[in-house]
Amino acid sequence: EIVMTQSPATLSVSPGERATLSCRASQSVTSNLAWYQQKPGQAPRLLIYGASTRATGIPARFSGSGSGTEFTLTISSLQSEDFAVYYCQQYNNWPPYTFGQGTKLEIK
Amino acid sequence: QVQLQESGPGLVKPSETLSLTCTVSGGSVNSGSYYWSWIRQPPGKGLEWIGYIYYRGSTNHNPSLKSRVTISVDTSQNQFSLKLSSVTAADTAVYYCARLGTNTWQMYFDYWGQGTLVTVSS
Repeated sequence: EIVMTQSPATLSVSPGERATLSCRASQSVTSNLAWYQQKPGQAPRLLIYGASTRATGIPARFSGSGSGTEFTLTISSLQSEDFAVYYCQQYNNWPPYTFGQGTKLEIK
Repeated sequence: QVQLQESGPGLVKPSETLSLTCTVSGGSVNSGSYYWSWIRQPPGKGLEWIGYIYYRGSTNHNPSLKSRVTISVDTSQNQFSLKLSSVTAADTAVYYCARLGTNTWQMYFDYWGQGTLVTVSS
């Protein structure tokens, strides 16, 4: 099973600033990595797939990068609605599909 | 717009079987391009993939759940279902249904239900 490790667990950033979230895989997942955003009481929402492709309707301030074992989600200028928990998920080696433990992005 | 909606009991007794159904609208479970999946999230914790089913009935599931998982599909009702047997308190979670692509480069969850909380308690 591939273990996905996200860092940091909590990230405090001011609105308008840039946020950088990391995800590391225990072995290469090539570019088969997705990012999700989850707000309290809601289902996760797909943000990024293929490590760097934004899903339909996702604003351009969200960008993903990386391949192999190291990945980054960057939010260029934080809006109030971006404060949430973010998960990465690998889909290169399965079963099982595995998620990171999440990074909580909070207002500084 | 594809929509998924979970339904089923919110309370299950220990050792019994958890049963949930996901109804799909705006799309068809008969599509050969997607797997139909279950994912769960214990309160305050992360996401765990449970398993998926293809419209032809083939399934795959998380080995961590061993043989407790049964997933079925009813194409006539555009639904798929989850059964999890011998539940314990550790199975208390929000259960989500979601759509998953069938090609490796598309195996991300693009549509999700709103989730339903299932509590295991006597």
